[in-house]
Order: sequence, then C-alpha cells, then structure tokens
Amino acid sequence: KNQVEQSPQSLIILEGKNCTLQCNYTVSPFSNLRWYKQDTGRGPVSLTIMTFSENTKSNGRYTATLDADTKQSSLHITASQLSDSASYICVVPMLGGGNKLTFGTGTQLKVEL
Amino acid sequence: NAGVTQTPKFRILKIGQSMTLQCTQDMNHNYMYWYRQDPGMGLKLIYYSVGAGITDKGEVPNGYNVSRSTTEDFPLRLELAAPSQTSVYFCASSYLSGQGPNTEAFFGQGTRLTVV
Repeated sequence: KNQVEQSPQSLIILEGKNCTLQCNYTVSPFSNLRWYKQDTGRGPVSLTIMTFSENTKSNGRYTATLDADTKQSSLHITASQLSDSASYICVVPMLGGGNKLTFGTGTQLKVEL
Repeated sequence: NAGVTQTPKFRILKIGQSMTLQCTQDMNHNYMYWYRQDPGMGLKLIYYSVGAGITDKGEVPNGYNVSRSTTEDFPLRLELAAPSQTSVYFCASSYLSGQGPNTEAFFGQGTRLTVV
C-alpha cells in the first residue's frame, strides 16, 4: 500500500532553535518527494521538490534530505522563527496513479518565544 | 498574478442542499485539481483535469461533480450535501502533471464547508 508517514505528529520548540521533521514513504515507483508548508487557514505552499538523485536540497533556512534506499526524507529547520509555526506536509506522487499525490498527515510545528 | 483563487472561503449548508465551489487560476496552467482535507488526515484527491474539456476521478469522487469549460476555471459541484462532506476543500493547479519532478502545484486558500 502506498503510504507517507510523518513524525512527530506535533512539535513545540523555542524561537532560534533547530528542529528536524521526518518522512517515511512506501510509494513505488518513486520519482520525487515534496515538502509543503501549510499555515493555519491557508493552502499548502511548496518548499522543495527532490528527485531520487538528490540527497540534499536547501531553501533558505530549510534543508531537505532524501535517502531513496531507505525511503526516508527529513526537513531540517535552522534558527526557527515564529513564522515557521505551521503544518509541514510530505508529499510523494504515485506514478501512473491518475495524477495522485500521496499526502502525509503533516507535522504541526509551533515555535514559541 | 493572483494565482489560484477559491470562493467562497466559508459556507454552511443544510443536508440535501447543493452548491458550487468556484476555482480560477490565472497562470495558464493545464492541470487543475480538487482536494479535500479532513482533520488529522492527508489531502485526498477528488477530481482532476488535464486540460479544458477533460476531467477524471481521483480517490474520493462520490458525491461530487466537476467541469472544465475553460483553462482558467474548474468548479466543484456538490449536488446533495451530506455531513460526510464537511471538510476543507482546496483547489490546485500546475503547469505540467503535478506528479512530475520539475513542476509544483499551487494551491488556493481553501473553502471551509460545514454540512448540518
């Protein structure tokens, strides 16, 4: 069964601290993996797209890693800010599945003072 | 560019009523999608379209209908609203197939629908 599982489910950190969010997937065949940020009451916004040949990709304070062998990805947030408070969603397309993107349930991050 | 625009933002329906959720994009994207997001769940694909005049079912199409008469617009129709359709609905669009590695999907701000 094609699945995307994320951990932790929720996380609270202090402003300025770093954190790492995890994503495990079983979607096959694999083409790419995306991380989205979803602010409360808003639609998801793309942070990064990683193909199977990419191990690391950065977007400002966000760094995503991918291990296609173990089917794991992580999103590392450096020097967190209050505006990083959001849900972070891992998404993996299911090729040949009628344009189906398999969405994880997300990690709810809260950054506090 | 406004991106993907959804209306309304909020709506309360009574069981059995019908309504249309509007979605329009100004990026000339071929691909458009409708998702629903239930609490604690990942987004689920309802319907999608690969171009004007072409639509196809996603994972959870029952109770919904769509049309794509223009590149810009992709309305979602609920004919007989049921409590199970209480959810947040997101419209999205992409230039190429949303599955491809060199494209990303752009989402609207969502429509929060409650059926009572």
